[in-house]
Amino acid sequence: DGGITQSPKYLFRKEGQNVTLSCEQNLNHDAMYWYRQDPGQGLRLIYYSQIVNDFQKGDIAEGYSVSREKKESFPLTVTSAQKNPTAFYLCASSIEGTHPNQPQHFGDGTRLSIL
Amino acid sequence: GENVEQHPSTLSVQEGDSAVIKCTYSDSASNYFPWYKQELGKRPQLIIDIRSNVGEKKDQRIAVTLNKTAKHFSLHITETQPEDSAVYFCAASGRGSTLGRLYFGRGTQLTVWP
Repeated sequence: DGGITQSPKYLFRKEGQNVTLSCEQNLNHDAMYWYRQDPGQGLRLIYYSQIVNDFQKGDIAEGYSVSREKKESFPLTVTSAQKNPTAFYLCASSIEGTHPNQPQHFGDGTRLSIL
Repeated sequence: GENVEQHPSTLSVQEGDSAVIKCTYSDSASNYFPWYKQELGKRPQLIIDIRSNVGEKKDQRIAVTLNKTAKHFSLHITETQPEDSAVYFCAASGRGSTLGRLYFGRGTQLTVWP
C-alpha cells in the first residue's frame, strides 16, 4: 500500500552493530506491527503497538526493540543481541482503535543481511 | 495463544483447475480470518477476509468458507490463472490480551501451470 513506507529496502549489519529499520504510515492508523519473514516460516510477529507510547511483545521479541512516539512512526531496532538477524522484515498497520480485528496493510519490506 | 495450521505447504494445479487451501485454528474465540497473497519479492496483500458471523464469502473467482464448529476455514480459487501463482497466507485473530494481533499460518506456495 502506498501509505506505508519502509526504509531502507536493503540493509547490511556488521557484527556487534545495532541497526534501525524505519516504518512510516500516512493512513491515520492506530495500530502498527513488525513481522519477520524467513523461508517456510510464514510471518512471525516481533512487536506491535495499538496506540502511541504503548507496545507489546510478539512471539519473537528477543534481540529487538521498538518505540512509538508518534502515531505515524514505528521504528524497529535490531540489536547485537539478535544473533541471526538475516531475514525479510515487514511493517504493517491497521485502523483498529475502537474497531479491533481489521485488515492489516503491509509495507514493501526491508531485507537485512549480515556482512 | 492461537495456533494456526495451514495445508498444503505447496500446491501445483493446471490453469483452469480449482485450488483449495485449508487452515485450522485452536481458539474458538477467534472471530476474524483474513487471507493474504504474496507474490515473489512483494508485500503481502489482503485478498479476502471473513468474520465468524458468516459461513461463506465470495469475490469473483475467490471464496472463503468458515466452519466454526470444526475450527477450520478454507480458500477456494476457481478457474486458476498463471498470475494466481504466489504464496498464500491464512490468519486468525487474537482475543483478550492479544486482541488486535493476527496469528499467521506458514503459507502455501501455489503454482499454476499454463
